[in-house]
Amino acid sequence: KNEVEQSPQNLTAQEGEFITINCSYSVGISALHWLQQHPGGGIVSLFMLSSGKKKHGRLIATINIQEKHSSLHITASHPRDSAVYICAVRSLDDKIIFGKGTRLHILP
Amino acid sequence: AAGVIQSPRHLIKEKRETATLKCYPIPRHDTVYWYQQGPGQDPQFLISFYEKMQSDKGSIPDRFSAQQFSDYHSELNMSSLELGDSALYFCASSYRVFGGDTQYFGPGTRLTVL
Repeated sequence: KNEVEQSPQNLTAQEGEFITINCSYSVGISALHWLQQHPGGGIVSLFMLSSGKKKHGRLIATINIQEKHSSLHITASHPRDSAVYICAVRSLDDKIIFGKGTRLHILP
Repeated sequence: AAGVIQSPRHLIKEKRETATLKCYPIPRHDTVYWYQQGPGQDPQFLISFYEKMQSDKGSIPDRFSAQQFSDYHSELNMSSLELGDSALYFCASSYRVFGGDTQYFGPGTRLTVL
């Protein structure tokens, strides 16, 4: 079993829909990252969370440390949001563990 | 704002050759991370440096070595290249001293081994 699990693996939605991507992990962590990787391969760090909730524009990330679960939400989704979204955690022994990513495709 | 710079952006080598990838972190960032992403695969953490000292080691092969220099730039040295080393190599930097751990990624170096 992977230490970081993401769901869904693939998601196709219509423009404007509210998107939720989930990440569950089984190890103790000091931080969790949400990353965005575009088809060209470039990676952008969206959020770093250790507790609570963060918001940036149409993106919202939440984390529940007790439940070992984080969610990334996209409001009013747009085709330019199409990308792979990756959850990565920094474990307490300082290792970085990636989820397998969620491939999001927003249709115009 | 300045971002993480990686060079070269593309590199083609033959088997058994050596390659050196360079990473220039965002100014004042003290931590550098190296990742490898093979075609269609998840990124894999290779190694990280904090204040020029190796701070964590992931799945880095013995044929690879890395270091961080006094100006905080880092180099990933890869020897005896194999076909399986063909991948996108990302560098990221962060400013850990204030406890921040947000990593800023460079554009990557695409290494092709023929």
